[in-house]
Amino acid sequence: GAVVSQHPSRVICKSGTSVKIECRSLDFQATTMFWYRQFPKKSLMLMATSNEGSKATYEQGVEKDKFLINHASLTLSTLTVTSAHPEDSSFYICSATPLTGPRGLADTQYFGPGTRLTVL
Amino acid sequence: TQLLEQSPQFLSIQEGENLTVYCNSSSVFSSLQWYRQEPGEGPVLLVTVVTGGEVKKLKRLTFQFGDARKDSSLHITAAQPGDTGLYLCAVNNAGGTSYGKLTFGQGTILTVHP
Repeated sequence: GAVVSQHPSRVICKSGTSVKIECRSLDFQATTMFWYRQFPKKSLMLMATSNEGSKATYEQGVEKDKFLINHASLTLSTLTVTSAHPEDSSFYICSATPLTGPRGLADTQYFGPGTRLTVL
Repeated sequence: TQLLEQSPQFLSIQEGENLTVYCNSSSVFSSLQWYRQEPGEGPVLLVTVVTGGEVKKLKRLTFQFGDARKDSSLHITAAQPGDTGLYLCAVNNAGGTSYGKLTFGQGTILTVHP
């Protein structure tokens, strides 16, 4: 159980276009989903926290107009990279925290497999 | 400054060797997690440590949480090529503004040569 999927797994686009990445919790409902960005051989950097039905909370330095997040349901969050440029090329990973289940220590986050974005 | 200082950043060893990865901070945490990530995939949770001084074992991996809950270590015995990957420590809700938010260390890239 507790599987998170991402689609697409890889995307190549031209500079100036917008790209949408989907994050789905397949077998559980997620109160909160998180979006991370990861550069090669580096750690994960949190971009934003997404709660169903409300606006996402962005980390300092992350442009909300550039990285649009929509959390339309308890199983789906989307990240849209608008007017993508080569510097937006990266590995984007989402995670989800279950709505039900034992709370506490750390409200386990389940990570998706990531999406590799390449902007030409 | 990093909340979690992980060391070393890179580790290249031969199969059969032992190794230790460290995760240090000046802050106290209620719990700490270790993840392993393979290239092109998302991180996978290995363990969560909660109690100061706690030691948890997962086959050849031994995780320890410092007595003061400020640091942790991951020790791998007789490393195998399959242990190759990025190892990350993380703490939950650092900063207290967003419940469930994880903050990661810089990561340790481990390469085990056959």
